[in-house]
Formats: sequence, structure tokens, C-alpha cells
Amino acid sequence: AQTVTQSQPEMSVQEAETVTLSCTYDTSESDYYLFWYKQPPSRQMILVIRQEAYKQQNATENRFSVNFQKAAKSFSLKISDSQLGDAAMYFCAYRSFGNQFYFGTGTSLTVIP
Amino acid sequence: GAGVSQSPRYKVAKRGQDVALRCDPISGHVSLFWYQQALGQGPEFLTYFQNEAQLDKSGLPSDRFFAERPEGSVSTLKIQRTQQEDSAVYLCASSSLAGDFTDTQYFGPGTRLTVL
Repeated sequence: AQTVTQSQPEMSVQEAETVTLSCTYDTSESDYYLFWYKQPPSRQMILVIRQEAYKQQNATENRFSVNFQKAAKSFSLKISDSQLGDAAMYFCAYRSFGNQFYFGTGTSLTVIP
Repeated sequence: GAGVSQSPRYKVAKRGQDVALRCDPISGHVSLFWYQQALGQGPEFLTYFQNEAQLDKSGLPSDRFFAERPEGSVSTLKIQRTQQEDSAVYLCASSSLAGDFTDTQYFGPGTRLTVL
């Protein structure tokens, strides 16, 4: 079974600075998708960014970008110019070809004004 | 509606009671997923529907858990004889396509179940 590991339970960043959240995963599959989801307190989980495993180019969405290292099975999220609204729990997720999702345990991000 | 809705938002049950949790996916969405999120943990996959067909129920923790989607839209997750370890937030998500690897899941707000 696939596993997703987020080794940073909590992170903090100064407003306008950059922060990187780590994620590693374990799989024997060659084709899959990776995701970062954001879950604000008491609010719905929303998709931040996704990466196709067969693409070498790292995905970017405005201030959010990933560093995808397929051989190392690493998928980190970089948030640039951090804003107060970025404060949330961030989950890394793996989607298998069989439509199952595997989530990490999350990283709680605090943004300091 | 504009998004995935779930009801009730909060449910308190006495141990041994049966509960039913409802999910209204985005209109027209083919795929529907249920997840269980324990406190301080990430969501764990429970089951997956494509229209009315339950294609994967490998994540259901016991035979006390049952899910259905009889008309391919609204889904209900039923838990029989609830136990304290069933306390969690139950998330529903839907996506527009059938088994499309690229498809985005849209999550509902969840139902927080507390079993006393």
C-alpha cells in the first residue's frame, strides 16, 4: 500500500516570506498524481496544486509551486510571499491509478504578521 | 448547489446507536468518495462510487459501515452500532468524471460524529 509522510507537524512563516512544506511517499507504481490540499480551520478542504508523475516540469499555481523529485519520492510545496490567509492545515496526497487517495498527517502552517 | 454539501454537520450518538450521514455532491458529478478523518490525522479513504456503482469499498473499517448511492447522486454513509472509535469527521468528495486520473475532487465540509 502507498504511504504518505509529512514530517513537519507544524511550521511557521513571517508574512511575505517563503516557506517550504515537505512530503515523501512510498509507491511501486510508475504513474500517479500528487496533490497538496489546504484545510482552513472548520472549513472545507480545497485543492492547492497537483502534479502528474510523468511530467518532469514542476507545477506552479501563482504563489504556490512544488519541487517534485520522482526518484527520491519527494513532493514539497513552496509558498512564496506568504499571506495571513495561507494559515491552515496542509495535506499532501497521493492518488493511485485505482482511484484511491492516500493522505499524509498534515502540516499546520502559522503565518506571523 | 454550488458545492458539495453534507448533513448533518454535527452528530452526537450514544454508543450502540445507528447513524446515517448524507452527502449531496455537485450536480452531475459522476464520482463520489467517502473519507474518515480522525482528530489530528489526514483523511483516510473509505469507499468510492461511480454513479450508483460502488467500485471500491476496501477502506470501510468493518461490516458496521455501509454506503449507498442508489440513484447515482446523493449518497448515504450508515454506521450501525456505533462505537467510540467511530468518532471522527466524515468527509465526502465528488468529481465530475468517471475514473479520470486527472480529475479534481471537491470536498464537502464534513460531518463531525461524536460517539459517547
